Amino acid sequence: NAGVTQTPKFRILKIGQSMTLQCTQDMNHNYMYWYRQDPGMGLKLIYYSVGAGITDKGEVPNGYNVSRSTTEDFPLRLELAAPSQTSVYFCASTHGNQPQHFGDGTRLSIL
Amino acid sequence: AQKVTQAQTEISVVEKEDVTLDCVYETRDTTYYLFWYKQPPSGELVFLIRRNSFDEQNEISGRYSWNFQKSTSSFNFTITASQVVDSAVYFCALSGRNRDDKIIFGKGTRLHILP
Repeated sequence: NAGVTQTPKFRILKIGQSMTLQCTQDMNHNYMYWYRQDPGMGLKLIYYSVGAGITDKGEVPNGYNVSRSTTEDFPLRLELAAPSQTSVYFCASTHGNQPQHFGDGTRLSIL
Repeated sequence: AQKVTQAQTEISVVEKEDVTLDCVYETRDTTYYLFWYKQPPSGELVFLIRRNSFDEQNEISGRYSWNFQKSTSSFNFTITASQVVDSAVYFCALSGRNRDDKIIFGKGTRLHILP
């Protein structure tokens, strides 16, 4: 049972490049979330999904897009990378208000 | 609106001391859930506890204990006889009763256990 798997673990991007952060869970959870954690700060919700085909904005959605074509996958896309998007990104999944299972995070640097 | 406040940004204690991390929450829901997560220096997020708003019994798990008081909207976390391995950032979180409710995290408390 892998839980929540995020790839890649590390990535360096140049300003203006695009990339997709992958997130997959094998627990058949309906709810999936993307957070960013800036250095020394707490978690900020970017986007979330309550099921396949349904996504909604969180606290800091600007500059990001998501899709949820399957229950398992919830990719996060950065279209035009900016230095302000340098952060650690966490994906999480859960059943409703059960504890969230987190991936190990993706450390992203925009230079 | 829901809100979680962890007023202690950073705490340092000497090993073997007891330490309490404060968490104060705001919600209009009568049914809600509270959580604590640990983020060690390696960066992963580890679930510690989930508490239903109707269960005000204190919980103890080894050196960890949690004090839930609805009267003061607090859900404090105490580590007894702290150890260096307890050094981490600890997050308190809140979610509503509905399955669609998001989990709201506090900003976290960075705990340093000094040898």
